[in-house]
Amino acid sequence: DVQLVETGGGVVRPGGSLRLSCAASGFIFDENSMHWVRQVPGKGLEWVALISWDGNTTYYVDSVKGRFTISRDNSKNSLYLEMNSLRTEDTAFYYCIKGREKYSWKAYFHYWGQGTQVTVSS
Amino acid sequence: DIQMTQSPSSLSASVGDRVTVTCRASQNIIIYLNWYQQKPGRAPKLLIYEASNLQSGVPSRFSGSGSGTDFTLTISSLQPEDFGTYYCQQAAISPFTFGPGTKVDLK
Repeated sequence: DVQLVETGGGVVRPGGSLRLSCAASGFIFDENSMHWVRQVPGKGLEWVALISWDGNTTYYVDSVKGRFTISRDNSKNSLYLEMNSLRTEDTAFYYCIKGREKYSWKAYFHYWGQGTQVTVSS
Repeated sequence: DIQMTQSPSSLSASVGDRVTVTCRASQNIIIYLNWYQQKPGRAPKLLIYEASNLQSGVPSRFSGSGSGTDFTLTISSLQPEDFGTYYCQQAAISPFTFGPGTKVDLK
């Protein structure tokens, strides 16, 4: 079975940094694009970033460009989100997601992790 | 960015009812529209991809239709386990935006 387990969330002050990790299992990791999506509790969903299966292509929502970096280590079946210059509006639940199709950038969010909470507060 | 709207924002329906949720995109997204169901405290679940394709394991009472800018999610006969919030999401152009959600309550 596909499993995605996020870690690294926590409480950080504005301007601070956090690194989220996602450990993947149950599928051939280097065949699928991966995404991060966030959700403010009780609110809607916002796609944050995409990385291609080989790590060569990344896309970001404008609000995090220049502050967040998505990366992956295919040898460790792991996905990362490095978050710098954090703002209060980055407070959300962050989900790691496996794309539905192999060797595709299509943003079909197939399997979701359980999520990790990031709180930015002074 | 492509803006996604949904209607209604919430609805209450009885078991066995036919339920329809609509989603509109601010520009043509062809068929690159997905639907998700989210229950409280849980991650969303992919129901429909590319407007009308049922994800494996999803009951056949769920169906999707539409193209261009207007899309519909239909539940043919609402079941008690179908309560939750339904989101549409465009997969045509980055950033991949979601609709605000439609909350479905059971009467």
